[in-house]
Amino acid sequence: DTEVTQTPKHLVMGMTNKKSLKCEQHMGHRAMYWYKQKAKKPPELMFVYSYEKLSINESVPSRFSPECPNSSLLNLHLHALQPEDSALYLCASSQFTNTGELFFGEGSRLTVL
Amino acid sequence: GENVEQHPSTLSVQEGDSAVIKCTYSDSASNYFPWYKQELGKRPQLIIDIRSNVGEKKDQRIAVTLNKTAKHFSLHITETQPEDSAVYFCAASTGQAGTALIFGKGTTLSVSS
Repeated sequence: DTEVTQTPKHLVMGMTNKKSLKCEQHMGHRAMYWYKQKAKKPPELMFVYSYEKLSINESVPSRFSPECPNSSLLNLHLHALQPEDSALYLCASSQFTNTGELFFGEGSRLTVL
Repeated sequence: GENVEQHPSTLSVQEGDSAVIKCTYSDSASNYFPWYKQELGKRPQLIIDIRSNVGEKKDQRIAVTLNKTAKHFSLHITETQPEDSAVYFCAASTGQAGTALIFGKGTTLSVSS
């Protein structure tokens, strides 16, 4: 299984809602990532988990809260988002941090009204 | 920190022509250079990568060259086909703790038949 699975594929939420994005991989990878991607832009790193511990937080606003319940799962909790947070949120994994191929999920397209 | 510049931002070629995309990086400690292809509405996927102990790598119609002295690396696609049309991102990584892949801004390649 070389897949990174993300749910939901699409999400529309209001600025007062609380929602979560989920990501799962069963490749035994020990590093998992959240990226944000706007149209026609490169993926922008948000968080990195290494061995289930947060290792990088790229100064992301606290309205985004990551969670890594175990080595296969990664969540991104969303609360009080702004319309400018609308984007494609990509989860990725790699065997180890900082080296080797990143396997991306299909992404969750988020629209904040 | 690392900075990756990518040129050109758009590239249009005729089917069968070659395409070349160039990237420069700033951190001489960078040692891993992948290239990702992202088709419209899809996830980024690794197409080729190179490490700093190698000067060139080839996989069928795709090749990557690395010049460590000049700190630049290039993607070469020969005999382009319409299905090569996509956004291509270069990236660089030092592999050091607390760092992650840094992406270039992307090149939109259009191959017309």
